[in-house]
Amino acid sequence: SAVISQKPSRDICQRGTSLTIQCQVDSQVTMMFWYRQQPGQSLTLIATANQGSEATYESGFVIDKFPISRPNLTFSTLTVSNMSPEDSSIYLCSVAAGVDEQYFGPGTRLTVT
Amino acid sequence: GENVEQHPSTLSVQEGDSAVIKCTYSDSASNYFPWYKQELGKGPQLIIDIRSNVGEKKDQRIAVTLNKTAKHFSLHITETQPEDSAVYFCAALPGGNKLTFGGGTRVLVKP
Repeated sequence: SAVISQKPSRDICQRGTSLTIQCQVDSQVTMMFWYRQQPGQSLTLIATANQGSEATYESGFVIDKFPISRPNLTFSTLTVSNMSPEDSSIYLCSVAAGVDEQYFGPGTRLTVT
Repeated sequence: GENVEQHPSTLSVQEGDSAVIKCTYSDSASNYFPWYKQELGKGPQLIIDIRSNVGEKKDQRIAVTLNKTAKHFSLHITETQPEDSAVYFCAALPGGNKLTFGGGTRVLVKP
């Protein structure tokens, strides 16, 4: 498995501002992902963070709103830009380790007022 | 794309009883089926998984079964304990690395 940490663990932000979430893994991994979990809902994939190239976004998510960086094989950031109350969610990073297994970080709980 | 349906959405059981959660998937190319447990305030934790070449897998009190013909798989928890109370998610992997998740089941184990 992999040990994943996220910062911050939670935050309360005002609408119109941006928040950058960090994800750190204890070992080098090829695949890193960012998910959104809206209150009481399941997990939705935002994008795959690619090391050394632009992230691959899922339908409904765009780079201008959720810019992602992946400077190396152990670290990634997700920025939630120009936030609105609808962006209030848990944001989770995950990594692929082993054959197919994916492991999740503890999440960042974001509230936008 | 893949679609995963999960039932029930909530499940209340008495401590010591068994709990069963069922998922169906749509893409016959899916070959990996993990289950995650998410406790309040935490990220999802991988608790057990099964691959398409296996029909059943057990790990202590939890087991997963897979029926590829019918495209459904189930999580079985025996001798439930209060610490089993959580939200459980099934998922399917239709090749590549993009998991598709079910809607989740909130399990409450009553002492």
